[in-house]
Order: sequence, then C-alpha cells, then structure tokens
Amino acid sequence: AQTVTQSQPEMSVQEAETVTLSCTYDTSESDYYLFWYKQPPSRQMILVIRQEAYKQQNATENRFSVNFQKAAKSFSLKISDSQLGDAAMYFCAYSLRGGADGLTFGKGTHLIIQP
Amino acid sequence: GAGVSQSPSNKVTEKGKDVELRCDPISGHTALYWYRQSLGQGLEFLIYFQGNSAPDKSGLPSDRFSAERTGGSVSTLTIQRTQQEDSAVYLCASSYTSGYTDTQYFGPGTRLTVL
Repeated sequence: AQTVTQSQPEMSVQEAETVTLSCTYDTSESDYYLFWYKQPPSRQMILVIRQEAYKQQNATENRFSVNFQKAAKSFSLKISDSQLGDAAMYFCAYSLRGGADGLTFGKGTHLIIQP
Repeated sequence: GAGVSQSPSNKVTEKGKDVELRCDPISGHTALYWYRQSLGQGLEFLIYFQGNSAPDKSGLPSDRFSAERTGGSVSTLTIQRTQQEDSAVYLCASSYTSGYTDTQYFGPGTRLTVL
C-alpha cells in the first residue's frame, strides 16, 4: 500500500518570506501523480499544484513550486513571498495512474503566516 | 461554472439513526469520489464511481455504509445505524475522467455529528 508522510504538523513563516513544506511517500509503482492541496478553515480542498512522476521538470504555479526527487521519494512544496491568504492546512497526496484508488493523503501541515 | 456541491452542510443525528449525504458533481465530470476526514484517521478514501458503477467498495468502513450514483451525476452516501465513530467531515470530489488521473475538484463537505 502507498503511504504519504508529512513530518511537520505545523509551520510558521513571516509574511513575504519563503517556506518549504516537506512530504515523502512510499510506493513500488513507477507511474503516479503527486499533489499539494490547501484546506482553509472553510473546509474547501483546493488544488495548489500537481506533478506527474514521469516528468523530470518540477512543477510551478506562480508563487508555488515543488522539488520532486523521484529516487528519494520526496515531494516538497515551496511557497515564495508568503501571503496572509496562504494560511491553511496543506496536504500532500498521491494517486496511482488511473485514479481508481483515489488519493492517498498525508496527515497535513498547518501553515501559519505571521504578519 | 458551478463547482461540486454537497448537502447538507452540517448534519447532527442521534446514534442509531440513518443519514443520507448528497453530492452533486461538476457537470460533465464522469468520475466521482467520496472521502472521510476525521481527527483520528485523517483523510480516507471511501469509494470511487466511474459513471454509475463503483468497481471497488472495499474502502467503505463497514457494511453500514453504502453509496450509489444515478444518471452519472448525483451521488448519495448512506450510513445506516450511525455510530459515534462515524462523526467526521465527508468530502466529495469529481473529475472529468479517471482514465489518466485528472485533477479532482472537491466540494465543501458535510460535517456529520453523531450524538
């Protein structure tokens, strides 16, 4: 079975600074997808960024970028120029190609933005 | 366009009662997923529908849980004889297709409290 581990239950960063959230995963598969989702207090799970395992290039979305290390099974999220609206729970998730097994989530990291 | 909607937003019930949770996916999305989010277990995948069929129901926590999807659209998750351990947020997600793992878009969830 696949597992996803987020070792940082909580992180705090000053507004406008950069923060990196860690995620490691375990799988014997070679074709899979990795995601970072954000969940604010409203409960709405919002996709932040997605990475296909077959792509060597790290995904970026504006202020959000990932460091995908396939051999090390590591998938960290870097948030640049942190904003107050970035405060939320962040979940790392894994999905096998095809999606029929759903997403496997980590326990989440609570990100606090200090003004 | 409209996102994934879920109803009710909150549900309080007494132990032993049956409850029905509803999910209305994004129009045109063929794949639909149910997840459960609780403090103790984190985010758990429950079941996946492709069209009206659910090929694997093994993720449902017990035989008190059932789910159906009609017309390739609305889905209901039914919990019979609710127990206190069923208290959680139930999230629904949909995607255009699961053929290659499309992005899952989540609804706001239903918070179920069993007294």
